[in-house]
Amino acid sequence: AQKVTQAQTEISVVEKEDVTLDCVYETRDTTYYLFWYKQPPSGELVFLIRRNSFDEQNEISGRYSWNFQKSTSSFNFTITASQVVDSAVYFCALSDHYGNNRLAFGKGNQVVVIP
Amino acid sequence: DVKVTQSSRYLVKRTGEKVFLECVQDMDHENMFWYRQDPGLGLRLIYFSYDVKMKEKGDIPEGYSVSREKKERFSLILESASTNQTSMYLCASSLSGSLPLGDTQYFGPGTRLTVL
Repeated sequence: AQKVTQAQTEISVVEKEDVTLDCVYETRDTTYYLFWYKQPPSGELVFLIRRNSFDEQNEISGRYSWNFQKSTSSFNFTITASQVVDSAVYFCALSDHYGNNRLAFGKGNQVVVIP
Repeated sequence: DVKVTQSSRYLVKRTGEKVFLECVQDMDHENMFWYRQDPGLGLRLIYFSYDVKMKEKGDIPEGYSVSREKKERFSLILESASTNQTSMYLCASSLSGSLPLGDTQYFGPGTRLTVL
């Protein structure tokens, strides 16, 4: 069973529009961690955020924001006022005891920002 | 800043060749990882190591081996490369030994390997 689901494979937006990436996870554990990574065309995965299961506060970092909802097992990511440099693949990942603390990645969201 | 480097960005090899992919991290991290990334399949863990000379199989270890002789260096070895090993290979490292829950992994730039 897929532990992390990122349903939207490719999303195209026009520059300055907002874009929200959905991440739905599945775990039996009460303690777990969620992550988002960005993979630009250069290939390197860049760490964006880590959130533990006891911290449901939403977070904002510049144009990026994250909405963690335990009730719906979701950890969604929004880019506000998108820019061409935001064009990348974004991965959501889960670390839990059931998975031996390893990272379980979603399939990723390809975001294309059109100038 | 954490720095993870990989020896090559692009590599082309022939079927049957022995291939070495090298990864070096400069932040004294205990754990190191090798993933492969394929379209539609996402990232899959091949092997990881939580200490020098220690290794653990990931989800897809078949056809691969690893070596960690020094803390900062983790090598992925394809003993006899095959065309189905054409892929993007990503190395990562994380701080704490024994893979604690929630340890953040930092990735290198990747090596795109083509096996002809």
